[in-house]
Amino acid sequence: EIVLTQSPGTLSLSPGERATLSCRASQSVSSSYLAWYQQKPGQAPRLLIYGASSRATGIPDRFSGSGSGTDFTLTISRLEPEDFAVYYCQQYGSSFGQGTRLEIK
Amino acid sequence: QVQLVQSGAEVKKPGASVKVSCKASGYTFTGYYMHWVRQAPGQGLEWMGWINPNSGGTNYAQKFQGRVTMTRDTSISTAYMELSRLRSDDTAVYYCAREDVVVVAADYYYYMDVWGKGTTVTVSS
Repeated sequence: EIVLTQSPGTLSLSPGERATLSCRASQSVSSSYLAWYQQKPGQAPRLLIYGASSRATGIPDRFSGSGSGTDFTLTISRLEPEDFAVYYCQQYGSSFGQGTRLEIK
Repeated sequence: QVQLVQSGAEVKKPGASVKVSCKASGYTFTGYYMHWVRQAPGQGLEWMGWINPNSGGTNYAQKFQGRVTMTRDTSISTAYMELSRLRSDDTAVYYCAREDVVVVAADYYYYMDVWGKGTTVTVSS
């Protein structure tokens, strides 16, 4: 089973700053199967990125995804107050990463 | 609009079973796989498996093999997830999520685009 490891566990930044979140796989993952989700307290997860780099419908362009093989990255170019949440990567039909908590500094 | 409406909270005793429902609306139920994901209190997301509502075929995460059963009733566009032999560490919010697929130049992109609000299952003696 492929294990996804996200880093950092917690990221403390201020609104307007750039956030870079990492997702590393224990073995190569098809980019087609790599997605990123955002979850806020008390809410269901929300799809942000699929296919490693394609934004889901309605997702602002400050969110971008990149990577291939075993290393994937979610970047938020300029943080808005509503972006502070927990972010998960997932390989389709398999496990999620443990999540990165993005908190206000 | 596309939505998934889940059944209400459940409280169960250890050793019992729970069956959570997920009613789909706004799209063709049999055209999209349905996944189940759970989240223990304060923990991350855990993928449990999927069901193909068209054929009834299933694929379960190894961890849940033998304890989970996913079924569907196409006449009412509803998917079900039943977890048996409950333990205290099965206490979690259980989500259903619709899988969508995008095909671009012969590449298939899979993701879960619509989620239910979750069903809280508490296992306690």
